[in-house]
Amino acid sequence: EIVLTQSPGTLSLSPGERATLSCRASQSVSSSYLAWYQQKPGQAPRLLIYGASSRATGIPDRFSGSGSGTDFTLTISRLEPEDFAVYYCQQYGSSPLVTFGGGTKVEIK
Amino acid sequence: QVQLVQSGAEVKKPGASVKVSCKASGYTFTGYYMHWVRQAPGQGLEWMGRINPNSGGTNYAQKFQGRVTMTRDTSISTAYMELSRLRSDDTAVYYCARLRGVFYYYMDVWGKGTTVTVSS
Repeated sequence: EIVLTQSPGTLSLSPGERATLSCRASQSVSSSYLAWYQQKPGQAPRLLIYGASSRATGIPDRFSGSGSGTDFTLTISRLEPEDFAVYYCQQYGSSPLVTFGGGTKVEIK
Repeated sequence: QVQLVQSGAEVKKPGASVKVSCKASGYTFTGYYMHWVRQAPGQGLEWMGRINPNSGGTNYAQKFQGRVTMTRDTSISTAYMELSRLRSDDTAVYYCARLRGVFYYYMDVWGKGTTVTVSS
């Protein structure tokens, strides 16, 4: 069973700073099947990144994804006020079919 | 536009069942798998299972095997998730999400969620 571990659990940063979020898989994950989502309080998750590094439609270019195998990273180059949220990585295709990481909360310092 | 509209909030007693609906519009319902994901208060996202709206075939997370049933009605482009023998720890927001996938696989459209509260 694939487990996705996200770190840190909470990231305290100021607007304008760079955010680096990690997602580590217990087994190798195909890059094609790794996605990142943003969730704000009271809202459904929103797709940010698919295929480990492709931005979804309408996602600003300050969001970027990278990585392969067992280590993936979501980077927000310069935090805007609307970027403070919880971020989840997700894999598809291995048992179980879908797994989410535990999430990283990006909060205002 | 592409959207998923879910049914309203539910309050159930322990041991009861709940059935949540998810109506799709703006795309060909039978062309995309529908997944169900839940989120307990203050917790992360938990995958429950999926249904192929074309065939009706399903796959469930092991944790929910025997308690969850996913169905669909193609005539009204609606997917359903029924959870039985409810417990207090089933209190959560339940989301449906469309899976986009050929080479890449990801959930690109989500419903707004249905809050299910289990309380005596």
